[in-house]
Parts: sequence; C-alpha cells; structure tokens
Amino acid sequence: QTVVTQEPSFSVSPGGTVTLTCGLSSGSVSTTYYPSWYQQTPGQAPRTLIYNTNTRSSGVPDRFSGSILGNKAALTITGAQADDESDYYCVLYMGSGIWVFGGGTKLTVL
Amino acid sequence: EVQLLESGGGLVQPGGSLRLSCAASGFTFSTYAMSWVRQAPGKGLQWVSAINSGGDGTYYADSVKGRFTISRDNSKNTLYLQMNSLGAEDTAVYYCAKKLRWYTAGDDWGQGTLVTVSP
Repeated sequence: QTVVTQEPSFSVSPGGTVTLTCGLSSGSVSTTYYPSWYQQTPGQAPRTLIYNTNTRSSGVPDRFSGSILGNKAALTITGAQADDESDYYCVLYMGSGIWVFGGGTKLTVL
Repeated sequence: EVQLLESGGGLVQPGGSLRLSCAASGFTFSTYAMSWVRQAPGKGLQWVSAINSGGDGTYYADSVKGRFTISRDNSKNTLYLQMNSLGAEDTAVYYCAKKLRWYTAGDDWGQGTLVTVSP
C-alpha cells in the first residue's frame, strides 16, 4: 500500500519562507510521479497551485514554487501572507490511472 | 468560464446506492478527462476515480473498485458516479474535477456535493 507523506502541520511568520514536502513511505519521489500541489481553505474546493513538479497553474503568484528536494517533492512559499493560511495537499501519479494524495499539511501564518 | 456543478448527494442508508452528477459548462467537455475526488469530514482529499475523454477508459481507487462506476455522457456534458453498497466510510464531500492533463488528479474543481451514509 503506497503512502504519500506530508508534514501534518507547519508554521511560518508573515513575510517568511516555508517549504512543505511530499514523500513516499517507500522510495523516492521524482518527476516521473508528476507531483501536483493543491491549496484548500475550510469549506472550499481545492485550488490547483502546481502541476508536473514545478509548473504554476494559471493565476498562481510566483511566490509559490515547486521542486524536487532530495527524495521528496517540495512546495515553497516565499513571502508568506496571511491568506496563505490553508491546507496544502500533494498528489502523485502512480501510473496505470492511479493517483494518491498525501494527508495534507495545515499551514499557519503567525 | 469553466463551471462544474455537482448534484445528487444526500443521506443514504448503509448498503444503499446513489448516483452523483457533475454538469459541465464553459469548455468542450468531450475533449477532457475527468475525475472524482472525495473528502471525508475533517479529513484529507482522496482520489476516487477517473475517466478519459471518450469514456472508454475508467480507473478506480482500490477502496471503491467494484462498488463505484464512473461514466460520462458527452452529449449532455455530464459526468456521473454511480455508488453502490455504500458504507459509513463513503461519507464525504465528492468533488468532480476537469483534468487539463492526464497526470494531474484535477485542475478545475466543482464545489462538491455531500454524501452521508447513515442509518
């Protein structure tokens, strides 16, 4: 059973930089998993931030960036703002028409 | 503007069935793959199912395989999810999503419809 791992919670100061990660319980995340990142605030639908590791979705500010760091996918937010306080989810494409989400990271900006 | 409007959610008894619909507008529905993603109350997102643009390729999470069926009617610009043998673990908000690229779980999202499985 493939498990995609994310930090349960993270905190960042306004204006600061934070990097959230997305790993695998067994193995390394690479670009071949086409990692994507979504932002979700309570009661709202997900919003696509990043797809294919590092491509920003339309309208997403450039302070959101994606990458591979070591053996994990990463989402970096630079110059964090109050309205970045959200849940962030990564998802990996496992191939053969199967996707697996991570458990999500609750980001607090304070 | 892309619009995805889910409907069909509600309260259903354990073991029951429900069919969700997702009415699409603002884009050429027949040329895009689609997916369903759900979120149990207070929990994270879970990919449920995907279908290619023509409807002849369907994919399911292990947790719903054999119980759920995804389909689409390109003449009606509508995506469906037939859910059978429902259990408490299926209680969730169900989102439909348009896939701009096959390898993403979804790119544009509807607002979701709540399915509650309870006696």
